[in-house]
Amino acid sequence: GDSVTQMEGPVTLSEEAFLTINCTYTATGYPSLFWYVQYPGEGLQLLLKATKADDKGSNKGFEATYRKETTSFHLEKGSVQVSDSAVYFCALSEVSGSARQLTFGSGTQLTVLP
Amino acid sequence: SQTIHQWPATLVQPVGSPLSLECTVEGTSNPNLYWYRQAAGRGLQLLFYSVGIGQISSEVPQNLSASRPQDRQFILSSKKLLLSDSGFYLCAWSTGLSTDTQYFGPGTRLTVL
Repeated sequence: GDSVTQMEGPVTLSEEAFLTINCTYTATGYPSLFWYVQYPGEGLQLLLKATKADDKGSNKGFEATYRKETTSFHLEKGSVQVSDSAVYFCALSEVSGSARQLTFGSGTQLTVLP
Repeated sequence: SQTIHQWPATLVQPVGSPLSLECTVEGTSNPNLYWYRQAAGRGLQLLFYSVGIGQISSEVPQNLSASRPQDRQFILSSKKLLLSDSGFYLCAWSTGLSTDTQYFGPGTRLTVL
């Protein structure tokens, strides 16, 4: 079945450091790929998405490129802020039955120190 | 604009007690609806999804059930809670099969003692 593998956390960075969170996937078809962010005690918020190979999703300074050849969708940000501290989830979406379903990675906890 | 509500926000229940969590969506019609569970320190697990009133698909066999009595209402239930049911329950919606982005509610933190 489909699966998503994320970089193990937790990740601790200083403010203004460069961030990379690795994500690779296994899928039988051509999934859409997502990054969601979860702030403490809250639900998930969509951060960015890409629907086909070589697409780049971007939002709030975060970027991720859909790499079909390496089955990857790594999340990057050039300069992190304390407010970026959260759990980040990589996910893929494929049709299953009569609906699209999301398959999530296990999440990566990011802490940014001032 | 569309909004999704979940209640209660937190719940502490004894083992063996019943459960009812509610999710409602505003600002859209005939959404796909989803229930996920997030166990402590782990990723999200899809429990149920629904593409219409009375239509429920279960992904994981368990002592939970779901119902969709109205177009924009999705309920998660249990007759007798287990300790292993503790977790963070998230409801999500999407506009339909052709739109793959799901939007999540604020979640319900359930602790079973």
